[in-house]
Amino acid sequence: GENVEQHPSTLSVQEGDSAVIKCTYSDSASNYFPWYKQELGKRPQLIIDIRSNVGEKKDQRIAVTLNKTAKHFSLHITETQPEDSAVYFCAARSLGGGADGLTFGKGTHLIIQP
Amino acid sequence: EAGVAQSPRYKIIEKRQSVAFWCNPISGHATLYWYQQILGQGPKLLIQFQNNGVVDDSQLPKDRFSAERLKGVDSTLKIQPAKLEDSAVYLCASSRGRSGELFFGEGSRLTVL
Repeated sequence: GENVEQHPSTLSVQEGDSAVIKCTYSDSASNYFPWYKQELGKRPQLIIDIRSNVGEKKDQRIAVTLNKTAKHFSLHITETQPEDSAVYFCAARSLGGGADGLTFGKGTHLIIQP
Repeated sequence: EAGVAQSPRYKIIEKRQSVAFWCNPISGHATLYWYQQILGQGPKLLIQFQNNGVVDDSQLPKDRFSAERLKGVDSTLKIQPAKLEDSAVYLCASSRGRSGELFFGEGSRLTVL
């Protein structure tokens, strides 16, 4: 099955600086890579996603890049703000065997220092 | 549109007792997932339904966990008997189709003492 590794587990940045979170996946058949933001005690919410036919996608201060050859993808947040503080999860979807549930990384706790 | 509804939000039980969680997906969403999220970890898929059929239950501990989705709408996840390591948040998610965006419920937090 799919395995997703996520780094770092904790990331502390100054407000206004950029933050980068990296993930690798194992299944070359995976073709969908979403990022979720989860605030304490709340549900995970999709913030951006990318499909394997695209190398980069941007939405205002958030961007995701995908390197299919190396099987890794990254989340970039620019001009960080206090409300960006949360746990971020990357995930990958593998389409093998009829099942297509997301496999999640272990999460990155992003702390924005004022 | 209304989101994914789950109940109860919190449950505390003794080990070896049983518990059941309920999920009502977004109207029209054919695909339903149950995830287990242990504190400090990412969600782990337990079971996936397409309408009322099981697509994937390879990570469901079938000796103690069961789930059903009668009539292809609501779903129930049951644990019997519960173990200490079952303490987690159980998240239900739904999507319009099998390749669509997942929408999560608020989760049901289980504490096993």
